[in-house]
Amino acid sequence: AQRVTQPEKLLSVFKGAPVELKCNYSYSGSPELFWYVQYSRQRLQLLLRHISRESIKGFTADLNKGETSFHLKKPFAQEEDSAMYYCALHSGSRLTFGEGTQLTVNP
Amino acid sequence: DAGVTQSPTHLIKTRGQQVTLRCSPISGHKSVSWYQQVLGQGPQFIFQYYEKEERGRGNFPDRFSARQFPNYSSELNVNALLLGDSALYLCASSRQGGPSNQPQHFGDGTRLSIL
Repeated sequence: AQRVTQPEKLLSVFKGAPVELKCNYSYSGSPELFWYVQYSRQRLQLLLRHISRESIKGFTADLNKGETSFHLKKPFAQEEDSAMYYCALHSGSRLTFGEGTQLTVNP
Repeated sequence: DAGVTQSPTHLIKTRGQQVTLRCSPISGHKSVSWYQQVLGQGPQFIFQYYEKEERGRGNFPDRFSARQFPNYSSELNVNALLLGDSALYLCASSRQGGPSNQPQHFGDGTRLSIL
């Protein structure tokens, strides 16, 4: 069975500092991984997906199959990045979500 | 584009009652998925429907059921409500179902409270 682990429930950084949100997964097949974000009073929305290898809002995430990780990184955090971030694994018909990390970027 | 719409936004029920939640997908999307999000946790997969057929089911009891209509909208039904069913129920739609890399678009959810 697949499993997604986000070890940090809360993460607090200062504006301009680098930020890394950790995600580890357990899956026997070839994983399809996503990061979703939920800003205050907004709906859950897709941030990025590993297959696209893109940078969205300055965020990147690299799939490391050896370490079974898909950490989300941004070199210089902004206050508007404050939100709840969920890592998710897609397999078959479903998304399996981690428990989420609440990121707070302080001025 | 109106996005995924869910109704009602809030609902209060008592134990033992039955509830129906509704979801309209984005125009052109044929797949609808349902998730339960308990406070402080990530969403948990309940069902996926594609072209009106169930394509996946999560680890939920038979009290939970769903269906998809010809216009691709969907309903989630929960019978014999328990206190533990109190949660935010999310609907997500995507263009296709099955093992594809189609991103899912989420609605705002229905907040269900059981007294």
